[in-house]
Amino acid sequence: TQLLEQSPQFLSIQEGENLTVYCNSSSVFSSLQWYRQEPGEGPVLLVTVVTGGEVKKLKRLTFQFGDARKDSSLHITAAQPGDTGLYLCAGEAGRRALTFGSGTRLQVQP
Amino acid sequence: DTAVSQTPKYLVTQMGNDKSIKCEQNLGHDTMYWYKQDSKKFLKIMFSYNNKELIINETVPNRFSPKSPDKAHLNLHINSLELGDSAVYFCASRQTSGVPRETQYFGPGTRLLVL
Repeated sequence: TQLLEQSPQFLSIQEGENLTVYCNSSSVFSSLQWYRQEPGEGPVLLVTVVTGGEVKKLKRLTFQFGDARKDSSLHITAAQPGDTGLYLCAGEAGRRALTFGSGTRLQVQP
Repeated sequence: DTAVSQTPKYLVTQMGNDKSIKCEQNLGHDTMYWYKQDSKKFLKIMFSYNNKELIINETVPNRFSPKSPDKAHLNLHINSLELGDSAVYFCASRQTSGVPRETQYFGPGTRLLVL
């Protein structure tokens, strides 16, 4: 069974602070995706990383895929209250469905 | 125009009842999924259908029976509901044939509470 561990599980920070969320596994994935889920809604895809070592930026969010394609990180610069939500990483291997991480609940206080 | 829609959004029922959740996607995708999200927000795959054929059936009790009447619909029927079935159930769809694979889109979820 492929498992994805996310850390931290909970994070409460002040507006303007930086933060990093980690997603780790002992399994290799062909791609890794990051989602954000808001209360009462389904997860929404933020980014997909495919190549080991790949870095993608989405405004204040920076995503990195580990060289060995087993881990990933999400870094948010100058967090805003609108960044509040549940962040989920999900790994894909072969043609199976996504394996989701345990989630990181982020709260950004104004 | 909702890409992936689910009904109902909320479902409260008694233990032992049978209930169904419906899902429809208007994206023309070939693959649809059912996920279960528990109280700790852990999202786990239950079933996957590709062009109406079951391709993934994770360790799910046989009280859960998915049905795909056509490639745009994937319904979930649950028999003899148990307290532990309380969760949020998400439907999702994705185009998996062709390269590169497209984004997976999730529905808004069905919040099931078994009393």
